[in-house]
Amino acid sequence: GAVVSQHPSWVICKSGTSVKIECRSLDFQATTMFWYRQFPKQSLMLMATSNEGSKATYEQGVEKDKFLINHASLTLSTLTVTSAHPEDSSFYICSARPLAGALGETQYFGPGTRLLVL
Amino acid sequence: LAKTTQPISMDSYEGQEVNITCSHNNIATNDYITWYQQFPSQGPRFIIQGYKTKVTNEVASLFIPADRKSSTLSLPRVSLSDTAVYYCLVGSGNTPLVFGKGTRLSVIA
Repeated sequence: GAVVSQHPSWVICKSGTSVKIECRSLDFQATTMFWYRQFPKQSLMLMATSNEGSKATYEQGVEKDKFLINHASLTLSTLTVTSAHPEDSSFYICSARPLAGALGETQYFGPGTRLLVL
Repeated sequence: LAKTTQPISMDSYEGQEVNITCSHNNIATNDYITWYQQFPSQGPRFIIQGYKTKVTNEVASLFIPADRKSSTLSLPRVSLSDTAVYYCLVGSGNTPLVFGKGTRLSVIA
């Protein structure tokens, strides 16, 4: 149990285009999902907290108009990188925490999405 | 700021037991301690979680002293495939996990 998927696993796009990344909890429901970004040889950096049915909470320095987050259901959150530029190239990872009482106090991570902007 | 401090790197030979200690001096009463393993270009994989004393599962043990200001992840008889970055995190509820730099474990044949 506690499987989180991401789609696509990798994407290459031209500068100026938008890219949507999906994060799904496959066998549990999650009111809260988190989005991280990881650059080579570095640790994961929290970008935003995605809450089902409400606006996402962004970390300081993360542009909410550039990284659009939608959490439409208890099993799906999406991250859209708008007008992507080469500096947005990174490894994007989501995580989900099961509803209270299920599967412990644990967050489960997706496999990540590699974005390359040319 | 990360709430935890770990050694940056460790080396071990195959078959040895590896212990990675993490400091979390400001752990809150409601916080759990969770360890993750990450391979290159993959998301972190849950290893083990505990609140106090000792927890053991099929892959690792987690030792937590009474004051909970530190914890030790124990990997028995490591193999080459255990080469990865190991992260220790503390938190609870729906608060996001803040990653530190982790410990890069290299297992040598």
